[in-house]
Amino acid sequence: EIVMTQSPATLSVSPGGRATLSCRASQSVSSDLAWYQQKPGQAPRLLIYGASTRATGIPARFSGSGSGTAFTLTISSLQSEDFAVYHCQQYNKGLTFGGGTKVEI
Amino acid sequence: EVQLVQSGAEVKKPGESLKISCKGSGYSFNTHWIAWVRQMPGKGLEWMGIIYPADSDTRYSPSFQGQVTISADKSISTAYLQWSNLKASDTAIYYCARSVGPEYDFDSWGHGTLVTVSS
Repeated sequence: EIVMTQSPATLSVSPGGRATLSCRASQSVSSDLAWYQQKPGQAPRLLIYGASTRATGIPARFSGSGSGTAFTLTISSLQSEDFAVYHCQQYNKGLTFGGGTKVEI
Repeated sequence: EVQLVQSGAEVKKPGESLKISCKGSGYSFNTHWIAWVRQMPGKGLEWMGIIYPADSDTRYSPSFQGQVTISADKSISTAYLQWSNLKASDTAIYYCARSVGPEYDFDSWGHGTLVTVSS
């Protein structure tokens, strides 16, 4: 099974600031990587797929990069509604999620 | 609008059986896969398995194989997740989610079903 490791577990950022979240795979997953946002009491929402393609309706301040084993989700100019937990998921071999990164004020 | 509507919260005792549902609308139910994802209290997401309603082709995560059963009734656009012998450790929120393939991202999610197992 491919293990996905996210860091940091918690990220403190000020509104208007920039957040950089990391996701690493235990083996190459090519670009088969998605990012999800989950707010308290809500279901996850797809943000990024194919490592760097924004899903429908996702603001341009969200961007994804990376391939192989190292991936990054960047949120530029954080808005109040962006404080949430972010999950990465690989779908290259099977389907596995990372442990999540909480972005807080 | 694509919607996945899940059945309501359940409270069960250890050893009981349970079947929860996920009804799709706003798209062709038979042309997408439906996955089930577990989220234990305060924890991350775990993929449990996935089904293609058109032919009931089902894949399970090794961690959940034999622990749950995933099924679907394409005639009513509904997927199911069931247990025959619940344990306290099954307490979690269970989400269904839509995918275009067995190994793809999940582009739409249900609202989740909270299952509480307690004596």
